[in-house]
Amino acid sequence: EVQLVQSGAEVKKPGESLKISCKGSGYSFTNYWIGWVRQMPGKGLEWMGIIYPRDSDTRYRPSFQGQVTISADKSISTAYLQWSSLKASDTAMYYCARLNNMMLDIWGQGTMVTVSS
Amino acid sequence: QSALTQPASVSGSLGQSITISCTGSSSDVGGYNYVSWYQQHPGKAPKLMIYDVSNRPSGVSNRFSGSKSGNTASLTISGLQAEDEADYYCGSYTSSNTLRVFGGGTKLTVL
Repeated sequence: EVQLVQSGAEVKKPGESLKISCKGSGYSFTNYWIGWVRQMPGKGLEWMGIIYPRDSDTRYRPSFQGQVTISADKSISTAYLQWSSLKASDTAMYYCARLNNMMLDIWGQGTMVTVSS
Repeated sequence: QSALTQPASVSGSLGQSITISCTGSSSDVGGYNYVSWYQQHPGKAPKLMIYDVSNRPSGVSNRFSGSKSGNTASLTISGLQAEDEADYYCGSYTSSNTLRVFGGGTKLTVL
């Protein structure tokens, strides 16, 4: 079965760092881009950026550039999204998804990140 | 502010048909046949329903169909069923530096 499995929910304090993961299985992980999508509470989907695991080519939506880091470890078929200093406004559900040609065809189950003092 | 414009809500009765619009520009919806539609039930991950404007992935009901005219794409759901009640998002490739864009989402209520 083709799937993306994300790491579990996180509760952090402002200023803390965090790295969440997205592990692919059932397909050749290095052949597809992985995208990250933010969904703030009660809001819509926001495109954050993408990474090509084969060579770690990464593209960010400008509003997220410098705010997060997207990376991947192809040896373990895992993509990551990380923050060096979380803010309360980072509280959201984060999804990874496989980019198959121009569609997001496989989605992870989501990782809820809560940032609160 | 989302790059693609969708109505905030639509509603329809069981068995009826509804259409959700998604308006962009020549840089995204109008310029490429790379519009996709996603269904999201509360507390669940989005699910791909339509890709490349009008194609359905395997396993998606043929009650779902997509089309495009100019800078506006549309998702039509025929024979509405209770389980169709969900949020629907359009997405598109864009030639801008954001690479991909989503619509703001449309809440479908089945009466």
